[in-house]
Amino acid sequence: ETGVTQTPRHLVMGMTNKKSLKCEQHLGHNAMYWYKQSAKKPLELMFVYNFKEQTENNSVPSRFSPECPNSSHLFLHLHTLQPEDSALYLCASSHDRGNGYTFGSGTRLTVV
Amino acid sequence: QKEVEQDPGPLSVPEGAIVSLNCTYSNSAFQYFMWYRQYSRKGPELLMYTYSSGNKEDGRFTAQVDKSSKYISLFIRDSQPSDSATYLCAMSEKSGTYKYIFGTGTRLKVLA
Repeated sequence: ETGVTQTPRHLVMGMTNKKSLKCEQHLGHNAMYWYKQSAKKPLELMFVYNFKEQTENNSVPSRFSPECPNSSHLFLHLHTLQPEDSALYLCASSHDRGNGYTFGSGTRLTVV
Repeated sequence: QKEVEQDPGPLSVPEGAIVSLNCTYSNSAFQYFMWYRQYSRKGPELLMYTYSSGNKEDGRFTAQVDKSSKYISLFIRDSQPSDSATYLCAMSEKSGTYKYIFGTGTRLKVLA
């Protein structure tokens, strides 16, 4: 484990379902991120939280709703998703004085 | 033009070969350059982190940055089958809590 834990590892949901992805880090990092990874595309930044405050929303559709109750936990709430939202969703964390991100193993999401 | 260009591969080499992985970029403001390794069904893990131009060596891995050409490289000496993974380059204008721009990743296969 890297220190960033994501659950669930796999998720299959229908287009009308509501589900949530969870990310947890105990590395003492102050920033947390959601990235989307699709085949043959670069990682796409979705949201950035720094000390619980959202500092970046990269024009993400409203069917994705992030929540960061504290610096150690990050959620991504999903509702009325589309099949093209199927991807690997990665959570990462970093420290202001650190170098680089620490990623979780991701949640493989399939929308049917 | 994409901000970061990376050949997706796959790149197949025999065990023991020297591997060269490359990225080009267009934003001259990038100062921090990273290489991540991603095994199948795992999140990316940080391999190398460099600032500005020059070389950095860590074991069998050498990262090279040429800012004048907007070109970065990762060399792997004495490649092993365990090096088989996708290698992602990433870069940013600032360090710490900041968004990184990723390449699409190069898939590497080292044949035993």
